[in-house]
Amino acid sequence: DSGVTQTPKHLITATGQRVTLRCSPRSGDLSVYWYQQSLDQGLQFLIQYYNGEERAKGNILERFSAQQFPDLHSELNLSSLELGDSALYFCASSVGGGSGSGNTIYFGEGSWLTVV
Amino acid sequence: GQQVMQIPQYQHVQEGEDFTTYCNSSTTLSNIQWYKQRPGGHPVFLIQLVKSGEVKKQKRLTFQFGEAKKNSSLHITATQTTDVGTYFCASKAAGNKLTFGGGTRVLVKP
Repeated sequence: DSGVTQTPKHLITATGQRVTLRCSPRSGDLSVYWYQQSLDQGLQFLIQYYNGEERAKGNILERFSAQQFPDLHSELNLSSLELGDSALYFCASSVGGGSGSGNTIYFGEGSWLTVV
Repeated sequence: GQQVMQIPQYQHVQEGEDFTTYCNSSTTLSNIQWYKQRPGGHPVFLIQLVKSGEVKKQKRLTFQFGEAKKNSSLHITATQTTDVGTYFCASKAAGNKLTFGGGTRVLVKP
């Protein structure tokens, strides 16, 4: 158990719909990261928040948005869903927000999104 | 932007044999991390390398960071069925993005 909690674990929704994925980081971690992993694909970085503020942005679609709340939990909002958005969405957390040594990131178990 | 490329994409290994997976970058990396993702699981941090030429060992796993800090390797000796999974290298680019390589999917033949 990494200490990172993601909900829901599985979600099936129709095209055009909107969903929200939730993540609670490990206790004490200030950074939250979101990654997308499609079937047999690598990990695509979406976005990072550090202590409530956006820290780094990857290939996140305009239909997607995220935020980190004062209690440090984060939500990833996916709207106008398309079939190609079906993927495993991982949240990860780390203590710091920089690239220094010791900044290991810990992954949650992921949220499986299926768009039909 | 910076990319880390991993080869091979797939590795079929006979149980008991050794293999190596490589991670290459066109730019100098400040550090490199390795993760393992078991089938159906989530990535789990294995190790971080920071220094040029650094070598670290974890039981049957040997991690190496190149002298120029542009490449890294993971060598597994005496492969076991528990080594099945996808091994990712990752490094932070400018802008603080932790970028993952495409991974090497390891399949072990008993």
